Amino acid sequence: DIQMTQSPSSLSASVGDRVTITCRASQSVSSYLNWYQQKAGKAPNLLIYGASSLQSGVPSRFSGSGSGTDFTLTISSLQPEDFATYYCQQSFSTPPTFGQGTKVEIK
Amino acid sequence: QVQLVQSGAEVKKPGASVKVSCKASGYTFTSYTMHWVRQAPGQRLEWMGWINAGNSNTKYSQKFQGRVTITRDTSASTAYMELSSLRSEDTAVYYCARGDVTIFGGYYYYYMDVWGKGTTVTVSS
Repeated sequence: DIQMTQSPSSLSASVGDRVTITCRASQSVSSYLNWYQQKAGKAPNLLIYGASSLQSGVPSRFSGSGSGTDFTLTISSLQPEDFATYYCQQSFSTPPTFGQGTKVEIK
Repeated sequence: QVQLVQSGAEVKKPGASVKVSCKASGYTFTSYTMHWVRQAPGQRLEWMGWINAGNSNTKYSQKFQGRVTITRDTSASTAYMELSSLRSEDTAVYYCARGDVTIFGGYYYYYMDVWGKGTTVTVSS
């Protein structure tokens, strides 16, 4: 199975900050990388698929980049509703696997 | 609107089985796959398997092979996940999620774009 590792595991940031989360795969996953947001007690919500394609309805302050083994999720200007845990997930091979999550907290 | 409604919370004893349902609405059920993903307390999301709702083909994670069965009832637009031989480590929230694909440049990008609210399964003696 492909292992997905995110960094950092948690971060504190203020409203308006630019936030970057990194995801690394144990082997190349090309651009088959998705990002999800999960708020406490809720189901995950798809943000980005194919490493950089914004899911319909997701605000444009979210963006994704990368290919191969290294990927980033960027929130250009953090909003109050963005405080949540973010997960990357590879869809290159079965089983699809997720990172351990990055919790974004209020500073 | 597209929606997945899951069955309610369950409490089971070790060794028992649990069957969770996921009723789809707002889209053509048989045109998509349905994934099952679980999340133990404080843990990462863990994929269990999926079913092609059109032809009922399934694929399971090796971790759960032999213990998990995913089925669907097209007349009810409902998918089911049954997990047997439950142990305390199976205590988790179980999610169903619709699988979709976007084809771009000849490449197929798969993702889970609609999720149910989750079903809490507690395994305790």
